[in-house]
Amino acid sequence: AQKVTQAQTEISVVEKEDVTLDCVYETRDTTYYLFWYKQPPSGELVFLIRRNSFDEQNEISGRYSWNFQKSTSSFNFTITASQVVDSAVYFCALSEAEKAAGNKLTFGGGTRVLVKP
Amino acid sequence: DTGVSQNPRHKITKRGQNVTFRCDPISEHNRLYWYRQTLGQGPEFLTYFQNEAQLEKSRLLSDRFSAERPKGSFSTLEIQRTEQGDSAMYLCASSWTGAGETEAFFGQGTRLTVV
Repeated sequence: AQKVTQAQTEISVVEKEDVTLDCVYETRDTTYYLFWYKQPPSGELVFLIRRNSFDEQNEISGRYSWNFQKSTSSFNFTITASQVVDSAVYFCALSEAEKAAGNKLTFGGGTRVLVKP
Repeated sequence: DTGVSQNPRHKITKRGQNVTFRCDPISEHNRLYWYRQTLGQGPEFLTYFQNEAQLEKSRLLSDRFSAERPKGSFSTLEIQRTEQGDSAMYLCASSWTGAGETEAFFGQGTRLTVV
């Protein structure tokens, strides 16, 4: 069975600080996708990034960057120079790539990020 | 088409009543998913459709729950004889799984409160 663990329940930072969110996952599949979603107070889950299990290259997209390490089953996410608008709950998620479920997602418990001005 | 739309946004019902939620996915998307999210937790998968076919149901989906997507467009999720434990946010998502597949796009959810 798949499992995603986000050990940090809440992180509070001051604006312009960097914040790193931890995610550890478990899966028996050799092919899978990892995601980060953001859930602002409005409730809608907003897609941020996706990474497949074959590509461990870490990238930067604007103020977002991620560190995927297959050896430790971790997919950490960093927001650089945080802003008040980044305040939200962030979810790490995992999906199997080869089964008919396709994008069926297994979510972690979420990390609430509070950015103070 | 601006995204996934869910109605109603909020629903308060008495225990034992039936409720029905509607989800309108992004029009060209062939996959539609339902998730349930309780307070302080991540969303949990309930069921999904490929066009009009319901291809998987979670163990979380008891026999009081039924979902349909009759014409492969909008979907409904019905809960019969609601219980207080059904109180949650019900999220719908859609995606395209053909060439140029997309990630899942989520609606704003329907928050159900059973009193």
